[in-house]
This record gives sequence, C-alpha cells and structure tokens, in this order.
Amino acid sequence: GAGVSQTPSNKVTEKGKYVELRCDPISGHTALYWYRQSLGQGPEFLIYFQGTGAADDSGLPNDRFFAVRPEGSVSTLKIQRTERGDSAVYLCASSDRGPSGYTFGSGTRLTVV
Amino acid sequence: TQLLEQSPQFLSIQEGENLTVYCNSSSVFSSLQWYRQEPGEGPVLLVTVVTGGEVKKLKRLTFQFGDARKDSSLHITAAQPGDTGLYLCAGLSSGAGSYQLTFGKGTKLSVIP
Repeated sequence: GAGVSQTPSNKVTEKGKYVELRCDPISGHTALYWYRQSLGQGPEFLIYFQGTGAADDSGLPNDRFFAVRPEGSVSTLKIQRTERGDSAVYLCASSDRGPSGYTFGSGTRLTVV
Repeated sequence: TQLLEQSPQFLSIQEGENLTVYCNSSSVFSSLQWYRQEPGEGPVLLVTVVTGGEVKKLKRLTFQFGDARKDSSLHITAAQPGDTGLYLCAGLSSGAGSYQLTFGKGTKLSVIP
C-alpha cells in the first residue's frame, strides 16, 4: 500500500478486556516497529520486528502485551486484561533501510474505561 | 536510561518570526532525527543528522547536530501557519541490531497568522 495502515483508528474497551490492534506496513518493508504515545509525551518504543521474528521486545511493559508478525507483513499487537493506564495512541512504523526510512501510521487511539 | 529533553515545551509566535527549538541529552547518539506530528496523525520524518557538527537545510528549516552528538537544534526562518505542529526529536542508539528510537516530549509550535 501507499502508507502504513492501522486499524481500528479508535478503540474503546472496558477494563479487563482483551484487544487486538492491527498494523499493515508498506509493501516490501521488512522492519516493523510498535510505539506507544501517551498524552503529552513522545512515542515510547515497544517492539521491533525484522521479518517474522521479534528482534527487540525490550520495550513491552509487561507480559500482558504481546505482538506477532506471522508472515513478515501484517502485525498484531495484543493486550490482555487491559488497564486504564494502557490508554494511549499506539503507533506502528515500517522501514526498508533502518531508521532513515521510518514511516509511521496514523495510530490507534485506545481508551480503556 | 537515555533521555532527550526538548525546549521550549510550548511556543506561540506570529507569522514571519524566526524561532529555534532545542533537543538536549547527556547521552551520545549515533544519529538524531526530527519529526513533525499533527493532531490525529503519526510523526513524519523531516531529517536525519549523523555527523557531529552537521548542518542540514530543508527550505526554511535548518537542523544542526552538536559536535559531541548529544544535542541538536531546529531553526525555522519566517514561520508560517503551516509550520504549526508538534516537533519531536529522536535519538538512535547503535548496537545489537535494533533500531530503537528514544523520543523527546516534543515542542508544540503554534504560528498565528
């Protein structure tokens, strides 16, 4: 596609529920990143995929967060037992040449009530 | 933990004025990027600076990377309303094959017509 596509654009869920956020990267981009941006803050790194494997998951805050990229293209960020503190904009980016080629999607705004 | 501090946090100026925003860290980064983010959108990459002392120009925007690669500045000449947005700096730490970016909190710029 022309850009990085993230769905849904907005998600409201109740505390304790499970959510899945989807990222469709630019075609051919092997690197995919997830970041989280809380209100008034810059994006914070969550996880980096190179192909199908998670090359760096050091930013995942706890074991309620998990991400997959089974075919090396679309990625899904999964959050179990959501908490109000998980409310944020979740951004996905893809690249074909390291950070110089980062393209971000518009994000999914997650609100946990 | 590597931190990037941006100043000022908020800036409101009249159209036609010049401005400079700063990005400072106690850590050395292998490269530093500047992004602009508009409400409801993901950050858009403006520039990547790699070499200490490097200066890059993008129309009315001038970016400088400090000699020690710990700080950077963005200067805008003759600001226009279209420059309004959140300006984020992000540092890249080399090593371990991970292209993880550390972002500052951003400078929110408003240019008043």
